[in-house]
Amino acid sequence: SQTIHQWPATLVQPVGSPLSLECTVEGTSNPNLYWYRQAAGRGLQLLFYSVGIGQISSEVPQNLSASRPQDRQFILSSKKLLLSDSGFYLCAWSVRTYEQYFGPGTRLTVT
Amino acid sequence: AQSVTQLGSHVSVSEGALVLLRCNYSSSVPPYLFWYVQYPNQGLQLLLKYTTGATLVKGINGFEAEFKKSETSFHLTKPSAHMSDAAEYFCAVSDLQSTLTFGKGTMLLVSP
Repeated sequence: SQTIHQWPATLVQPVGSPLSLECTVEGTSNPNLYWYRQAAGRGLQLLFYSVGIGQISSEVPQNLSASRPQDRQFILSSKKLLLSDSGFYLCAWSVRTYEQYFGPGTRLTVT
Repeated sequence: AQSVTQLGSHVSVSEGALVLLRCNYSSSVPPYLFWYVQYPNQGLQLLLKYTTGATLVKGINGFEAEFKKSETSFHLTKPSAHMSDAAEYFCAVSDLQSTLTFGKGTMLLVSP
């Protein structure tokens, strides 16, 4: 069966510090991978998605970036965090049937 | 382009009462539709999905939803609410390419 991991589970970072969140999927090959953010009261915002290694689509302009160095690994990064980057970050995967399966999330607080 | 509207950011029911969460969509292609549930500080869990075929689909935890093309709706129901159903619920539509469009979510509150 497929599983998806995210780490860390929680993170407190000062403004201006770098960020690296990691997501890995097990039990499937060549999945589509997604990064979402949930800010308080604002629903789900799609940040990036990837249909293959090295292929990244950005949905919104921001100071975040994503990379997919391996088939089942998806990384969300920032060089300098802003207060507005605080939120709950969710990674998800999908294959041909289009439903997405979500990881447990990372709670990021920028102070 | 796809869009999803969930009527009511909060819905309150009593334990044992009918749950009805509303979802309307717009789509330029025959839609694939989904309902997800999210408990506090957790990821989203797929409740049920409609792709093709039977328009009444059953999901986990006793939930079901009916696809009504003429009304462009995909409302989520459960005959009898349980305290453990308290969570946020998201409706989503697929663009049949790579992404889902999510509604803004409905928080279900269940009182004893």
